[in-house]
Amino acid sequence: QKEVEQNSGPLSVPEGAIASLNCTYSDRGSQSFFWYRQYSGKSPELIMFIYSNGDKEDGRFTAQLNKASQYVSLLIRDSQPSDSATYLCAPRTFTGGGNKLTFGTGTQLKVEL
Amino acid sequence: DTEVTQTPKHLVMGMTNKKSLKCEQHMGHRAMYWYKQKAKKPPELMFVYSYEKLSINESVPSRFSPECPNSSLLNLHLHALQPEDSALYLCASSQDNGAQQSYGYTFGSGTRLTVV
Repeated sequence: QKEVEQNSGPLSVPEGAIASLNCTYSDRGSQSFFWYRQYSGKSPELIMFIYSNGDKEDGRFTAQLNKASQYVSLLIRDSQPSDSATYLCAPRTFTGGGNKLTFGTGTQLKVEL
Repeated sequence: DTEVTQTPKHLVMGMTNKKSLKCEQHMGHRAMYWYKQKAKKPPELMFVYSYEKLSINESVPSRFSPECPNSSLLNLHLHALQPEDSALYLCASSQDNGAQQSYGYTFGSGTRLTVV
């Protein structure tokens, strides 16, 4: 079982719709969860993080966390063509040597005009 | 300054060459990281430095040798690489490497390495 699983996609949504991206993780020691966006050929860019169960909203983005189900999601409202990218889920785990982010395989999102 | 700067942006090297990748940040971050990313794959952690000391080595082959000369600078020395080591090498930094939950990583733009 992979440590962090995401649907690879592509997930296609029309412009203005809500895009829903899902992530499951296996390490129950994961404390916080980060969502990164990566455009083709570019480096990952932090969108938002969440560490408490429930919802967290930031502009058009909402992260949802359910630690009991080991599930994290990202909702993007009013999707724009500029949102077309790969979205990486990254749980943060604190080990004896320090903390590390482990990335999921990413979901490719395509927002169509 | 909210950036992580990586140089060079592109590097082509032969299998017998020795080269170094450089990463610099001036955000006062005390943790720095090297990740490797192959095409269509997620970034994979290689090394973690916390307060200038190597704290995590993810079983990386010895042909990759990290160095942290000071709190702002991180190097990755390369020697006798193989063609399969060709990838995008990403450096990242974060404010702290402790248990604080909200510290994300800031990534540099990466060095695209080709081994011939």
